[in-house]
Amino acid sequence: EADIYQTPRYLVIGTGKKITLECSQTMGHDKMYWYQQDPGMELHLIHYSYGVNSTEKGDLSSESTVSRIRTEHFPLTLESARPSHTSQYLCASSEYRRGAGETQYFGPGTRLLVL
Amino acid sequence: AQTVTQSQPEMSVQEAETVTLSCTYDTSESNYYLFWYKQPPSRQMILVIRQEAYKQQNATENRFSVNFQKAAKSFSLKISDSQLGDTAMYFCAFMTMDSNYQLIWGAGTKLIIKP
Repeated sequence: EADIYQTPRYLVIGTGKKITLECSQTMGHDKMYWYQQDPGMELHLIHYSYGVNSTEKGDLSSESTVSRIRTEHFPLTLESARPSHTSQYLCASSEYRRGAGETQYFGPGTRLLVL
Repeated sequence: AQTVTQSQPEMSVQEAETVTLSCTYDTSESNYYLFWYKQPPSRQMILVIRQEAYKQQNATENRFSVNFQKAAKSFSLKISDSQLGDTAMYFCAFMTMDSNYQLIWGAGTKLIIKP
């Protein structure tokens, strides 16, 4: 299992502010992901990374950006928060193992409310 | 297109009963991985059980087991002796090489265990 940490767990912020959601994992997994999820709804992939200096946009268009300078760290930044960004953001990491496939493990999530 | 369908938006059963959540998927790949995740009110996404498509034996984890029907592209989750702590959203998901090992998610089933 992966130990994945997300901070903050809850954030209430005003429109126009810049925010960074932190995600760290201690298992040395190469792959990391950011998902956006509205309450009771399915997950939407917004960003992913297959390793250091590798980042890609996911299926859901997002105004956020990510960076991957270290294996264990995958922060997500919103340059100017808007009420439409209000949601839960879930970070995950995974590792492929021959014969065992791949499993994503999730952090506790950050609930963001933009006023 | 690769899709996952969970046809039961919400289910409720009495404590100690057995409940089965349905999931069907669509892919042209022959090898893939299937997952059930649980998301309790705390909103942390927790892996319940996983199944490799090339394994015919159904996976089990304590009270949780799956009925994997590859030809029918069906992957149902059975929860035996249900407990109040099983109350959660349950998401079915799968990944293939074609999806670059990214998870394809269902819309979720809300399961309520009544005392």
